[in-house]
Amino acid sequence: NAGVTQTPKFRILKIGQSMTLQCTQDMNHNYMYWYRQDPGMGLKLIYYSVGAGITDKGEVPNGYNVSRSTTEDFPLRLELAAPSQTSVYFCASSNLKGQTYEQYFGPGTRLTVT
Amino acid sequence: GQSLEQPSEVTAVEGAIVQINCTYQTSGFYGLSWYQQHDGGAPTFLSYNALDGLEETGRFSSFLSRSDSYGYLLLQELQMKDSASYFCAFNTNAGKSTFGDGTTLTVKP
Repeated sequence: NAGVTQTPKFRILKIGQSMTLQCTQDMNHNYMYWYRQDPGMGLKLIYYSVGAGITDKGEVPNGYNVSRSTTEDFPLRLELAAPSQTSVYFCASSNLKGQTYEQYFGPGTRLTVT
Repeated sequence: GQSLEQPSEVTAVEGAIVQINCTYQTSGFYGLSWYQQHDGGAPTFLSYNALDGLEETGRFSSFLSRSDSYGYLLLQELQMKDSASYFCAFNTNAGKSTFGDGTTLTVKP
């Protein structure tokens, strides 16, 4: 199993550009998450999904959009990039197994908006 | 609202025991997780508590008291490689996940 994969690993965007961060998992997990992590800070939930066709907002959804057309894929779309969106973006997936709710994280995408 | 509080920094020496506390506030609480993150890396799962009590996994243990909205991570026999950031996070029964701001653990020789 590859686990959770994210592309690209690094990206520099100009203000106002758009891009899609890709996330794929091969563990057949129902739950998927997008987080952003600013330097020295914790992870802030952007959007999450409890299954294909279902998405919901997290703590910081403004400026982002998601879709979940399949169990495996959960892309994050940035429209009109702003410097405030410079961050590291992590995708994660999980399933409830017994009493455990372990999240598996991708390696992250380091995004700079200038 | 929903929130978690944990200390920002903890320092300990090799071989010692350290406890990182976490208090939380949320509705629909399902369970409390702990994650480790080394500089430049992705978070990795350490432990999960859905029920009150202690969960032990090797040198790491985690405790939860649902009535006190409180948990802690206990790291024993500290090693230099344990220097990292540690995050507590809760899940709600709607599947949502919220992380704390993290505790930076520095292990000194």
